[in-house]
Amino acid sequence: GAVVSQHPSRVICKSGTSVKIECRSLDFQATTMFWYRQFPKQSLMLMATSNEGSKATYEQGVEKDKFLINHASLTLSTLTVTSAHPEDSSFYICSAPGGGLGEQYFGPGTRLTVT
Amino acid sequence: GENVEQHPSTLSVQEGDSAVIKCTYSDSASNYFPWYKQELGKRPQLIIDIRSNVGEKKDQRIAVTLNKTAKHFSLHITETQPEDSAVYFCAAIHSGNTPLVFGKGTRLSVIA
Repeated sequence: GAVVSQHPSRVICKSGTSVKIECRSLDFQATTMFWYRQFPKQSLMLMATSNEGSKATYEQGVEKDKFLINHASLTLSTLTVTSAHPEDSSFYICSAPGGGLGEQYFGPGTRLTVT
Repeated sequence: GENVEQHPSTLSVQEGDSAVIKCTYSDSASNYFPWYKQELGKRPQLIIDIRSNVGEKKDQRIAVTLNKTAKHFSLHITETQPEDSAVYFCAAIHSGNTPLVFGKGTRLSVIA
């Protein structure tokens, strides 16, 4: 099946700094990728839809100036958490549609801890 | 937009018993309903899915049923084993390039 990678898998940063998370489709092209956030013991919540060649679309309540998304190519989307705060600590997961009627391929996730 | 409700939030069963998790959805245009198993710190893993033109699908000990009229679908796990212990999420989607909408999850514990 299709493979999506994420880097880094785990990152610890200080409050006020920025962190970039990369999501790559390894063996297929993805014009669209989704970014989810998952807090402990909660479900995956969609943050934004990343579109290659155009601006990302953000879900209500997600600050677009804080969570910068860049879909630089057909295989790479990046999420940058700017001026991170402890409340941004979470599990961030990207996914890409599989081209069928709904299958999606998830990256392994990035555990962000802001101290 | 779509809203997916999932019950129960926690479920404990004895090893060998069956487990059933139920979900309802609100958008009648949704046509793909996957179920995911997620272990701690890992990505969701697709375990079974069903499309709106099918009422039931089975894969070994796992089955999913769909009632389009009532807009609900269920996951059935038979002969549960300790390794089935995890969090299970249902989801709904209505086209290939739209994001999944997840239920809140069910923490399943299989007691040996």
